[in-house]
Amino acid sequence: EAGVAQSPRYKIIEKRQSVAFWCNPISGHATLYWYQQILGQGPKLLIQFQNNGVVDDSQLPKDRFSAERLKGVDSTLKIQPAKLEDSAVYLCASGSGLFSYEQYFGPGTRLTVT
Amino acid sequence: AQSVAQPEDQVNVAEGNPLTVKCTYSVSGNPYLFWYVQYPNRGLQFLLKYITGDNLVKGSYGFEAEFNKSQTSFHLKKPSALVSDSALYFCAVIQRAGYSTLTFGKGTMLLVSP
Repeated sequence: EAGVAQSPRYKIIEKRQSVAFWCNPISGHATLYWYQQILGQGPKLLIQFQNNGVVDDSQLPKDRFSAERLKGVDSTLKIQPAKLEDSAVYLCASGSGLFSYEQYFGPGTRLTVT
Repeated sequence: AQSVAQPEDQVNVAEGNPLTVKCTYSVSGNPYLFWYVQYPNRGLQFLLKYITGDNLVKGSYGFEAEFNKSQTSFHLKKPSALVSDSALYFCAVIQRAGYSTLTFGKGTMLLVSP
Protein backbone atom coordinates (compact mmCIF):
# COMPACT_ATOMS: atom_id res chain seq x y z
CA GLU A 1 0.00 0.00 0.00
CA ALA A 2 1.42 3.37 -1.01
CA GLY A 3 1.84 5.86 1.80
CA VAL A 4 0.98 9.53 2.04
CA ALA A 5 2.83 11.53 -0.61
CA GLN A 6 3.90 15.14 -0.22
CA SER A 7 5.72 17.59 -2.44
CA PRO A 8 7.96 19.43 -2.51
CA ARG A 9 10.18 18.00 0.22
CA TYR A 10 12.05 21.25 0.72
CA LYS A 11 11.25 24.87 -0.10
CA ILE A 12 13.12 28.09 0.55
CA ILE A 13 11.33 31.40 -0.05
CA GLU A 14 11.67 35.01 0.99
CA LYS A 15 9.21 36.63 3.34
CA ARG A 16 6.10 38.04 1.69
CA GLN A 17 6.32 35.45 -1.10
CA SER A 18 3.69 32.77 -1.54
CA VAL A 19 4.13 28.99 -1.43
CA ALA A 20 1.95 25.92 -1.94
CA PHE A 21 2.28 22.37 -0.69
CA TRP A 22 0.62 19.30 -2.14
CA CYS A 23 -0.56 16.11 -0.45
CA ASN A 24 -1.90 12.85 -1.81
CA PRO A 25 -3.37 10.67 0.96
CA ILE A 26 -3.55 6.91 1.15
CA SER A 27 -6.11 5.62 -1.32
CA GLY A 28 -9.56 5.42 0.19
CA HIS A 29 -8.77 7.52 3.25
CA ALA A 30 -11.59 9.98 3.82
CA THR A 31 -9.90 12.10 6.50
CA LEU A 32 -6.96 14.37 5.73
CA TYR A 33 -4.98 16.55 8.11
CA TRP A 34 -2.41 19.31 7.72
CA TYR A 35 -0.03 19.90 10.64
CA GLN A 36 2.66 22.49 11.28
CA GLN A 37 5.74 21.27 13.17
CA ILE A 38 8.06 24.00 14.38
CA LEU A 39 11.55 22.90 15.40
CA GLY A 40 11.55 21.59 18.96
CA GLN A 41 7.76 21.29 19.15
CA GLY A 42 5.18 18.65 18.46
CA PRO A 43 2.96 18.87 15.39
CA LYS A 44 0.07 21.31 15.63
CA LEU A 45 -3.11 20.69 13.65
CA LEU A 46 -3.87 23.39 11.10
CA ILE A 47 -6.89 21.91 9.33
CA GLN A 48 -8.81 18.65 9.12
CA PHE A 49 -10.93 17.54 6.14
CA GLN A 50 -13.53 14.81 5.98
CA ASN A 51 -13.85 14.03 2.26
CA ASN A 52 -13.91 17.54 0.76
CA GLY A 53 -15.48 19.27 3.77
CA VAL A 54 -13.63 21.11 6.55
CA VAL A 55 -14.10 19.52 10.00
CA ASP A 56 -11.75 21.72 12.03
CA ASP A 57 -9.76 24.80 10.96
CA SER A 58 -9.76 26.59 14.30
CA GLN A 59 -5.95 26.88 14.40
CA LEU A 60 -5.46 27.87 10.77
CA PRO A 61 -4.24 31.51 10.42
CA LYS A 62 -6.87 32.34 7.85
CA ASP A 63 -5.45 35.74 6.98
CA ARG A 64 -2.51 34.05 5.26
CA PHE A 65 -3.13 30.30 5.14
CA SER A 66 -5.66 28.51 2.96
CA ALA A 67 -6.30 24.87 2.14
CA GLU A 68 -8.55 22.95 -0.14
CA ARG A 69 -9.35 19.36 -0.91
CA LEU A 70 -11.13 19.30 -4.21
CA LYS A 71 -12.90 16.03 -5.06
CA GLY A 72 -12.06 14.67 -1.63
CA VAL A 73 -8.67 13.25 -2.58
CA ASP A 74 -5.57 15.46 -3.06
CA SER A 75 -5.11 18.58 -0.98
CA THR A 76 -3.11 21.77 -1.25
CA LEU A 77 -2.03 24.11 1.55
CA LYS A 78 -1.08 27.66 0.60
CA ILE A 79 0.66 30.45 2.49
CA GLN A 80 0.38 33.98 1.15
CA PRO A 81 2.25 36.07 2.17
CA ALA A 82 4.81 34.05 4.13
CA LYS A 83 6.36 35.32 7.36
CA LEU A 84 9.62 34.32 9.02
CA GLU A 85 7.69 32.48 11.74
CA ASP A 86 6.13 30.18 9.13
CA SER A 87 9.46 28.33 8.87
CA ALA A 88 8.52 24.79 9.87
CA VAL A 89 7.86 21.31 8.58
CA TYR A 90 4.36 20.93 7.14
CA LEU A 91 3.02 17.42 7.61
CA CYS A 92 0.08 15.85 5.86
CA ALA A 93 -1.67 12.84 7.37
CA SER A 94 -4.64 10.72 6.43
CA GLY A 95 -6.99 8.37 8.21
CA SER A 96 -9.72 6.00 7.16
CA GLY A 97 -12.49 7.90 8.93
CA LEU A 98 -13.47 10.44 11.54
CA PHE A 99 -13.18 7.94 14.37
CA SER A 100 -10.40 5.71 13.10
CA TYR A 101 -7.89 7.60 15.30
CA GLU A 102 -4.79 6.11 13.64
CA GLN A 103 -3.22 8.68 11.36
CA TYR A 104 -0.67 7.95 8.65
CA PHE A 105 1.84 10.72 8.03
CA GLY A 106 3.70 11.78 4.93
CA PRO A 107 7.40 12.72 5.00
CA GLY A 108 6.63 16.43 5.29
CA THR A 109 7.72 19.60 3.51
CA ARG A 110 10.45 21.62 5.19
CA LEU A 111 9.80 25.34 4.59
CA THR A 112 12.45 27.95 5.25
CA VAL A 113 11.40 31.60 5.03
CA THR A 114 14.30 34.06 4.81
CA ALA B 1 -8.67 21.78 26.76
CA GLN B 2 -6.52 18.72 26.25
CA SER B 3 -2.75 18.74 26.70
CA VAL B 4 0.22 16.42 26.86
CA ALA B 5 3.48 16.84 28.77
CA GLN B 6 6.72 15.05 27.97
CA PRO B 7 9.01 16.17 30.79
CA GLU B 8 12.28 14.94 29.27
CA ASP B 9 13.82 16.55 26.21
CA GLN B 10 16.23 13.62 25.86
CA VAL B 11 16.60 10.12 27.26
CA ASN B 12 19.91 8.29 27.06
CA VAL B 13 20.14 4.54 27.48
CA ALA B 14 22.67 1.83 26.67
CA GLU B 15 21.79 -0.88 24.18
CA GLY B 16 20.27 -3.88 25.91
CA ASN B 17 18.99 -1.88 28.87
CA PRO B 18 15.31 -1.16 29.49
CA LEU B 19 13.99 2.23 28.41
CA THR B 20 11.16 4.46 29.57
CA VAL B 21 9.91 7.63 27.89
CA LYS B 22 7.50 9.56 30.09
CA CYS B 23 4.17 11.14 29.18
CA THR B 24 1.42 12.72 31.25
CA TYR B 25 -1.85 14.08 29.93
CA SER B 26 -4.69 16.39 30.85
CA VAL B 27 -8.19 16.00 29.42
CA SER B 28 -11.70 16.31 30.70
CA GLY B 29 -13.14 12.82 30.66
CA ASN B 30 -11.46 9.65 29.48
CA PRO B 31 -8.63 9.95 26.96
CA TYR B 32 -7.49 8.13 23.88
CA LEU B 33 -3.67 8.00 24.03
CA PHE B 34 -1.04 7.42 21.35
CA TRP B 35 2.68 7.13 20.80
CA TYR B 36 4.30 8.08 17.50
CA VAL B 37 7.96 7.86 16.46
CA GLN B 38 9.79 10.15 14.03
CA TYR B 39 13.01 9.11 12.34
CA PRO B 40 15.21 11.77 10.68
CA ASN B 41 13.74 13.17 7.45
CA ARG B 42 10.72 10.92 7.74
CA GLY B 43 7.13 11.40 8.80
CA LEU B 44 5.67 10.24 12.07
CA GLN B 45 4.94 6.54 12.41
CA PHE B 46 2.23 5.13 14.63
CA LEU B 47 3.56 2.91 17.45
CA LEU B 48 0.61 2.09 19.68
CA LYS B 49 -2.64 3.37 21.16
CA TYR B 50 -4.79 3.03 24.24
CA ILE B 51 -8.52 3.29 23.66
CA THR B 52 -10.06 1.06 26.30
CA GLY B 53 -9.47 -2.27 28.02
CA ASP B 54 -6.16 -3.59 29.34
CA ASN B 55 -3.97 -0.84 30.77
CA LEU B 56 -0.85 -2.41 29.23
CA VAL B 57 -0.78 -1.86 25.49
CA LYS B 58 1.65 -3.59 23.14
CA GLY B 59 2.73 -1.99 19.89
CA SER B 60 5.23 -2.11 17.06
CA TYR B 61 8.95 -2.94 17.38
CA GLY B 62 8.59 -4.43 20.86
CA PHE B 63 7.34 -1.23 22.49
CA GLU B 64 4.61 -1.15 25.10
CA ALA B 65 2.91 1.52 27.17
CA GLU B 66 1.03 1.50 30.44
CA PHE B 67 -2.06 3.63 30.99
CA ASN B 68 -2.31 4.84 34.59
CA LYS B 69 -5.52 6.78 35.16
CA SER B 70 -4.74 7.83 38.73
CA GLN B 71 -1.40 9.32 37.71
CA THR B 72 -2.70 10.52 34.30
CA SER B 73 0.32 8.92 32.68
CA PHE B 74 1.03 6.86 29.59
CA HIS B 75 4.74 6.00 29.71
CA LEU B 76 6.39 4.23 26.77
CA LYS B 77 8.61 1.27 27.62
CA LYS B 78 10.78 -1.37 26.03
CA PRO B 79 12.55 -4.18 27.92
CA SER B 80 15.75 -4.09 25.84
CA ALA B 81 16.75 -1.04 23.80
CA LEU B 82 18.33 -1.21 20.34
CA VAL B 83 20.57 1.40 18.72
CA SER B 84 18.00 1.53 15.91
CA ASP B 85 15.39 2.75 18.44
CA SER B 86 17.16 6.12 18.51
CA ALA B 87 14.58 8.62 17.28
CA LEU B 88 12.14 11.34 18.37
CA TYR B 89 9.10 10.05 20.25
CA PHE B 90 5.79 11.88 20.55
CA CYS B 91 2.94 11.22 22.93
CA ALA B 92 -0.52 12.39 21.80
CA VAL B 93 -4.03 12.52 23.22
CA ILE B 94 -7.58 12.77 21.91
CA GLN B 95 -10.47 13.64 24.14
CA ARG B 96 -12.85 10.70 23.91
CA ALA B 97 -15.79 12.67 22.62
CA GLY B 98 -15.68 14.56 19.36
CA TYR B 99 -13.50 14.38 16.29
CA SER B 100 -10.10 12.74 15.87
CA THR B 101 -8.00 15.81 16.61
CA LEU B 102 -4.65 14.84 18.11
CA THR B 103 -2.80 17.05 20.57
CA PHE B 104 0.90 16.21 20.62
CA GLY B 105 3.55 16.65 23.26
CA LYS B 106 6.79 18.41 22.35
CA GLY B 107 8.65 15.16 21.85
CA THR B 108 11.47 13.28 23.58
CA MET B 109 14.68 12.37 21.79
CA LEU B 110 15.77 8.83 22.62
CA LEU B 111 19.47 8.09 22.16
CA VAL B 112 20.58 4.48 22.50
CA SER B 113 24.33 4.02 22.72
CA PRO B 114 26.10 0.85 21.57
